[in-house]
Amino acid sequence: AQTVTQSQPEMSVQEAETVTLSCTYDTSESDYYLFWYKQPPSRQMILVIRQEAYKQQNATENRFSVNFQKAAKSFSLKISDSQLGDAAMYFCAYDSNYQLIWGAGTKLIIKP
Amino acid sequence: DAGITQSPRHKVTETGTPVTLRCHQTENHRYMYWYRQDPGHGLRLIHYSYGVKDTDKGEVSDGYSVSRSKTEDFLLTLESATSSQTSVYFCATRGTGTGTDTQYFGPGTRLTVL
Repeated sequence: AQTVTQSQPEMSVQEAETVTLSCTYDTSESDYYLFWYKQPPSRQMILVIRQEAYKQQNATENRFSVNFQKAAKSFSLKISDSQLGDAAMYFCAYDSNYQLIWGAGTKLIIKP
Repeated sequence: DAGITQSPRHKVTETGTPVTLRCHQTENHRYMYWYRQDPGHGLRLIHYSYGVKDTDKGEVSDGYSVSRSKTEDFLLTLESATSSQTSVYFCATRGTGTGTDTQYFGPGTRLTVL
């Protein structure tokens, strides 16, 4: 069965610095999708970034980028130039047969 | 994001009463999902739908039923609400074509069962 592991329950970073959130997953499939979602205090679940496993190139969205290591089954999220608005819970997720397998989440704290 | 609305956004009800939550989408997505989120548990799938009148159970389906009579609407019903069903409920949708193979979420419904 597929599993998703986020080993960092909480991370903190100074404003304007860079932080990396870790995610590992387990699967026997070769083609799949991976996602990072952000959930701020408003509770809205917001898509941050999406990666297709068959694409070698790491996805980027403005200040957000991923380091996708398919062989290692690792999918980390890098946030550059951290801003106060980045404070949130971040969830890593794997798409399996149209359903998402979720990690437990990492709480990101931004220090002003 | 996909046009997804949930109603009501907040509800307080008493134990034993029936409750129906509604999810409405304007994106014509085939798949729709209901999740609950509780402290310490992240998101857990209750039920999902893969087409009109086609539904299946998720990992925490006991005490819940769903219906989907139109592509755009997915209803979640608590036949007899219990205090353990106090939670935040999220609806999500997903398409099947290239570029739509991502789940997008509604704003959530906070349900309190007294």
